[in-house]
Amino acid sequence: EIVLTQSPGTLSLSPGERATLSCRASQSVSSSYLAWYQQKPGQAPRLLIYGASSRATGIPDRFSGSGSGTDFTLTISRLEPEDFAVYYCQQCGISPYTFGQGTQLEIK
Amino acid sequence: EAQLVESGGGLVQPGGSLRLSCAASGFTFSSYWMHWVRQAPGKGLVWVSRINNDGSSTSYADSVKGRFTISRDNAKNTMYLQMNSLRAEDTAVYYCAMATVTTRWAFDFWGQGTMVTVSS
Repeated sequence: EIVLTQSPGTLSLSPGERATLSCRASQSVSSSYLAWYQQKPGQAPRLLIYGASSRATGIPDRFSGSGSGTDFTLTISRLEPEDFAVYYCQQCGISPYTFGQGTQLEIK
Repeated sequence: EAQLVESGGGLVQPGGSLRLSCAASGFTFSSYWMHWVRQAPGKGLVWVSRINNDGSSTSYADSVKGRFTISRDNAKNTMYLQMNSLRAEDTAVYYCAMATVTTRWAFDFWGQGTMVTVSS
């Protein structure tokens, strides 16, 4: 099983700042199969990034993904108030399709 | 517009059974792989099970293998999760989600979830 470890656990930033979220895998993940999701309280997760760097339909270009092998990054260039949420990475290439434990992005 | 609606959740005693349903609309259901993902209260996302587009292939998390069975009826645009021998640790919101090669098998779209509570 591929274990995904996200850091930091909580990130406190202000609107307008840049957010950098990390996802590290216990073994190499094909970048084709690394995804990022956003989840707000009481809502279902929403796909942000697939294939490590491709934005899903309707996702603003302030969201970007990068990385390969075992290290992946989600960057939000300028935080908007609606971006404060929990973010999960996931590998969707090999069963079990594991998720990271999440990064809580909170308003400072 | 794609829509996924889960149903069938509720309160069940330990050792009991439930069958969850996921009704799909707004897209070609038979073209998508489907998944169940659960989230215990206040916790993160945990993948549970997957079925391919025609139902010929399934996979399960170790924690539910032998107890849960995933299936689908493409004629009814519906996926199911039969949950037997339920335990307290199965308490969670259960989401269904869809995946296709177009988005590298990422979970494109999710339903709103159905709550399962296992308690005496």
